[in-house]
Formats: sequence, structure tokens, C-alpha cells
Amino acid sequence: DARVTQTPRHKVTEMGQEVTMRCQPILGHNTVFWYRQTMMQGLELLAYFRNRAPLDDSGMPKDRFSAEMPDATLATLKIQPSEPRDSAVYFCASGPGPFFYGYTFGSGTRLTVV
Amino acid sequence: LAKTTQPISMDSYEGQEVNITCSHNNIATNDYITWYQQFPSQGPRFIIQGYKTKVTNEVASLFIPADRKSSTLSLPRVSLSDTAVYYCLVGDTAAGNKLTFGGGTRVLVKP
Repeated sequence: DARVTQTPRHKVTEMGQEVTMRCQPILGHNTVFWYRQTMMQGLELLAYFRNRAPLDDSGMPKDRFSAEMPDATLATLKIQPSEPRDSAVYFCASGPGPFFYGYTFGSGTRLTVV
Repeated sequence: LAKTTQPISMDSYEGQEVNITCSHNNIATNDYITWYQQFPSQGPRFIIQGYKTKVTNEVASLFIPADRKSSTLSLPRVSLSDTAVYYCLVGDTAAGNKLTFGGGTRVLVKP
């Protein structure tokens, strides 16, 4: 089965450091999402892209978070500077477009900011 | 986007059928209904989608009444490995395919 690949799987960093998470969407998928999951907030949509163009990043703290798709095979989510409240699991998902086809999620990056 | 409401949790036993009902009173004409399953330490997994009536695949069945204001996910003969959180989502392809998750239903299957 085709997979969405996320790296790293785990990241522990100190407050104030820059963190970059990477996602390789499934080849041919033109829609990419970034989510954050915590016990308190559940799954929060941070940003999503269609054909590499950002469609909505209203869920993302703009002052410290940024999301990009340098090319069709790579999506990045960057936090600078990181804070303890950013500790969460970050998921990337990709899909072929229409909502009803479903989207495939990666295994996530578990971020701990100390 | 239509808001969805589903029970917070459900308990069941191995071999039983589990039915999870999701309310989406404000569903629009172009909206589809999809369900995702999430196991601990994994990302959500798409399991089924429908627009109206009944849809069945190898994992589950989805029942949608004529008014489409609710839907029921049916898991036949559950096993311990079906313990997971199940999310109901409603979306419109015209709305940019935005996928917004609610709180989900935590299903615990007991021996």
C-alpha cells in the first residue's frame, strides 16, 4: 500500500529551538494537510495545500509556524521558536482531491518541547 | 461546514455488532459523509464514505436515512482490535475539501 511518510517520528527539543517536520505525500496526491493532535484539543487542522498552493492556514499560529511545499514530493512544517505548548503529535495527510475519496495519514511526528 | 455530534464513548464485547450514530442536522446537498478510525499512536484511517442509503465494504457498513441528518456506522462482530476512536466527518467538495475532525467516539471492545 502507498504510504505518507513523515520524518522524524520523534523529536525532543529545547524551548526556543527551531523544529522542522517533513512529509512525503503519496505520489500523485494533490491535496496535503497538516494536523496537530493533543489530548486536550484533539485533532486540529493547521494548514492544507492543493497543488502545492496553500488554501487555508488559519489554524496555524502565524508568528511561529510556517508550512510550505517546495515541490510535489515534500511538505514541511516549521516551528520557530518552539515552545512547550507546541508539544503534540503532528500528522500529515494526503489525498487525490475529492473529499469522498478519503485521505491517507502518516504515522505522525511526536514533538516534545522541554 | 456541517457540525457533527457523536457519542463520546461506547463499550462493547467481542463478537457483538457496534453501531455509532452521528448527527449532522445542517448537512448540505453537496456534502458527503465519511468515517475515520484511529488506533492509539497512529494516524486516522479512512474507512467508509457515503452520500445516501447504505454503503458496505470489508470493514463496515454505513446507513444514511433519506433526510441525511444522521448516519450510523455499523461494525459487525467486533474484535479486541477494533478498539479505537471513530470520527464522523461531513464535507463538501466545493468547500475546498477541508477535513475538520470533531471529538470522535471512543469504542472499547472487551473480551
